[in-house]
Amino acid sequence: DAKTTQPPSMDCAEGRAANLPCNHSTISGNEYVYWYRQIHSQGPQYIIHGLKNNETNEMASLIITEDRKSSTLILPHATLRDTAVYYCIVRVGNAGGTSYGKLTFGQGTILTVHP
Amino acid sequence: DAGVTQSPTHLIKTRGQQVTLRCSPKSGHDTVSWYQQALGQGPQFIFQYYEEEERQRGNFPDRFSGHQFPNYSSELNVNALLLGDSALYLCASSLALAVWRADTQYFGPGTRLTVL
Repeated sequence: DAKTTQPPSMDCAEGRAANLPCNHSTISGNEYVYWYRQIHSQGPQYIIHGLKNNETNEMASLIITEDRKSSTLILPHATLRDTAVYYCIVRVGNAGGTSYGKLTFGQGTILTVHP
Repeated sequence: DAGVTQSPTHLIKTRGQQVTLRCSPKSGHDTVSWYQQALGQGPQFIFQYYEEEERQRGNFPDRFSGHQFPNYSSELNVNALLLGDSALYLCASSLALAVWRADTQYFGPGTRLTVL
């Protein structure tokens, strides 16, 4: 699975949009971009994923560049409860062999939302 | 709709002992993955079970073993516990999809294991 690079920490004011970047310059055509977040001592929470197109759900938006080498997770109106570690993960789909569903977590980005 | 559940919530063991952790997947899911998260680190993949068989394994010794039952629930067993096994153990469930499609894993709250 492709390696990702994220800033170690970011700050955001409550009510403003939080834009979390992720670089994945070695991503291949069959690899998806996933975002999870983890609030202290809880299990990771799935946020969103995409392959090529931008995606939006009730939690966030995912913007993937045309060359797919980077992406941005957007939390449109950050709240204090969005303070967490955000993980960007690139993984291949179900390709069999050694590629079944393994998620490889990096260090992630610690997002702190301030009042 | 119940999410992923894990038991127990916390566990304290001593070195050399054995431990069993349990996981019930989200309703409708058939695949269970286990992860270990040491303090200050991201989760590390241990193994994944599908159709009651281990089909992918991370870089963990044979002391770590698992099982999946016909109802898709799963157990993680760790033998000969070491101090370094102290961690948050996470279970994630998903629904196996067709080839080249990416399933989504949903995590449980975890079991905090402390080895003294």
